[in-house]
Amino acid sequence: QSALTQPASVSGSPGQSITISCTGSSSDVGKYNLVSWYQQHPGKAPKLVISEVTKRPPGVSDRFSGSKSGNTASLTISGLQAEDEANYYCCAYAGSTTLMFGGGTKLTVL
Amino acid sequence: EVQLVESGGDLVQPGRSLRLSCVASGFTFDEYALHWVRQAPGKGLEWVSGISGNGNSIGYADSVKGRFSISKDNAKNSLYLQMNSLRPEDTALYYCTRDLKGNSWYFCAYDIWGQGTMVTVSS
Repeated sequence: QSALTQPASVSGSPGQSITISCTGSSSDVGKYNLVSWYQQHPGKAPKLVISEVTKRPPGVSDRFSGSKSGNTASLTISGLQAEDEANYYCCAYAGSTTLMFGGGTKLTVL
Repeated sequence: EVQLVESGGDLVQPGRSLRLSCVASGFTFDEYALHWVRQAPGKGLEWVSGISGNGNSIGYADSVKGRFSISKDNAKNSLYLQMNSLRPEDTALYYCTRDLKGNSWYFCAYDIWGQGTMVTVSS
């Protein structure tokens, strides 16, 4: 089991768009459309923002979108706002009976 | 209100055992897969274990396989994690989570999280 690879940090200014990548392999991200994304503010439980690569749960802003190309999934946040500053994690099904999270990305809104 | 409430976290010595519990309310317990996800202090999320709604499918992370055991009691709306042979690296906040996709447990789509219960493994 290898963890999914995410950049340690990304940053952007209010109103801009940013993209966070999540790189796996042909056995997990590349094989299944089962990638989710979570937002976590300090001291809080994570919040699901994207499931099954592109699906937004009810109540999640449409500024959040997901995509996948090959072995890399991506989370894009458009119209960046101050409250988007948080840690973001991807999660993917790795086959058999295994799931795994990425290492996390700290988003800083400048 | 849909809710998950964990309990059982404690300070334990290496090699000892501990059992975590999670009580669910506000939804039909046996229709949803449930998971344990942990977070070491200052670190990222780590999936630990999951069980399908009907209990027929179970999975574990390699880091806990053979030491941890997940189970559920539908009559008590409760999820458990039996942790044996604990190691210092098991120190973390343990979250109980619900998969919004229902019985299937491989979506990693957790819409409900508990507040977490802290496990500290230290001599």
